Amino acid sequence: QSVLTQPPSASGTPGQRVTISCSGSNSNIGRNTVNWYQHLPGTAPKLVIYSNNQWPSGVPDRFSGSKSGTSASLAISGLQSEDEADYYCASWDDSLNVVLFGGGTKLSVL
Amino acid sequence: EVQLVESGGGLVKPGESLRLSCAASGFTFTSHTINWVRQAPGKGLEWVAFIGSIYSHISYADSVKGRFTISRDNAKNSVYLQMTYLRAEDTAVYYCVRDRASVSFDYWGQGTLVTVSS
Repeated sequence: QSVLTQPPSASGTPGQRVTISCSGSNSNIGRNTVNWYQHLPGTAPKLVIYSNNQWPSGVPDRFSGSKSGTSASLAISGLQSEDEADYYCASWDDSLNVVLFGGGTKLSVL
Repeated sequence: EVQLVESGGGLVKPGESLRLSCAASGFTFTSHTINWVRQAPGKGLEWVAFIGSIYSHISYADSVKGRFTISRDNAKNSVYLQMTYLRAEDTAVYYCVRDRASVSFDYWGQGTLVTVSS
């Protein structure tokens, strides 16, 4: 069981906006930044949002991130079939002194 | 071009040891913390360990503490993960990962598979 909690699945149709949540605590999300990763089977994970709401080079601005208190969210607008993947949130935990990943959310584009 | 290339994976029996290597290129190696992250079959991502650009800054996940040792050779632009007393639950694809800052991982290797089975 992950300390960062994500819904196991999410879905949307092409063009829709979908949001994935990540819930933590004061020792991780509450005090540190959140990063989001996209993982397609058979490939290496890809950073899509860092420092809560920043885009790495090459990531479309259809992806956006936000953080409030001990929770964070990843939003994907204008959903495309290529967005179908597993998404993970991650943050440092000051109490455990470890990097935490959420359990992952499988996004389906219907 | 930033590249991280893992090697050293394979099939081992429970209790045995294995050493993974990660060869880095295309960036100033000494400026970055390097991590190992793994994914067991059918499971999510799990952070394993990191080693900072300053050798003394090292941290491990509880699941591997005392069994795994991370090290780096800045002269060879390489990071290593010495894994001992391997268990079936260590079976996973192991990724070598660069930390751009504040544990945001911007470059990942393609991974190397470690299988622990009798």
